[in-house]
Amino acid sequence: TQLLEQSPQFLSIQEGENLTVYCNSSSVFSSLQWYRQEPGEGPVLLVTVVTGGEVKKLKRLTFQFGDARKDSSLHITAAQPGDTGLYLCAGGMNRDDKIIFGKGTRLHILP
Amino acid sequence: NAGVTQTPKFRVLKTGQSMTLLCAQDMNHEYMYWYRQDPGMGLRLIHYSVGEGTTAKGEVPDGYNVSRLKKQNFLLGLESAAPSQTSVYFCASIPRDRENTGELFFGEGSRLTVL
Repeated sequence: TQLLEQSPQFLSIQEGENLTVYCNSSSVFSSLQWYRQEPGEGPVLLVTVVTGGEVKKLKRLTFQFGDARKDSSLHITAAQPGDTGLYLCAGGMNRDDKIIFGKGTRLHILP
Repeated sequence: NAGVTQTPKFRVLKTGQSMTLLCAQDMNHEYMYWYRQDPGMGLRLIHYSVGEGTTAKGEVPDGYNVSRLKKQNFLLGLESAAPSQTSVYFCASIPRDRENTGELFFGEGSRLTVL
């Protein structure tokens, strides 16, 4: 059972368009992280959200943590080819110290 | 700083052979994790450890064993490799006070092929 569901799994859009990626769960997480992974490399952290309702911005990327701390979204404005990659959400659970990942969203920005 | 180092980086095994993947971190982190990543998939947690001498099962522990005899090392063992264990394995570590950033520090990955 995948505790973190990411959608969509694949997304191919034109440069300049906006997009949103979702990370949903029925479980409450103490924090959620978004990572980006390039082929042949380990994931690299983009952001951590901790507080329910929190919104964080990183240049053209906007991250939101749901009020109930069960879901999160990543919105990219004016996507660029350099945004191409695998985006992963990960969640930490206080009760057992596990950190689990969603299946990821593979994003391809067409020039 | 080396950070998180995994060895070996590549390995080909025959079905039934055994092997051990070594993860070493020099950041004095308490928590360490082993994940596997299959094509088109995210990372699935195999086993993890919250401190020296302790280990716990993750999402997909079957067929793997782990040991954390020293704080800086986390070993992942395959007693009898199966083709289904062909994957890229990532080790990661995080300090106990992870609420500050939540950032996992990853190794470069170990690509294992079981024939």
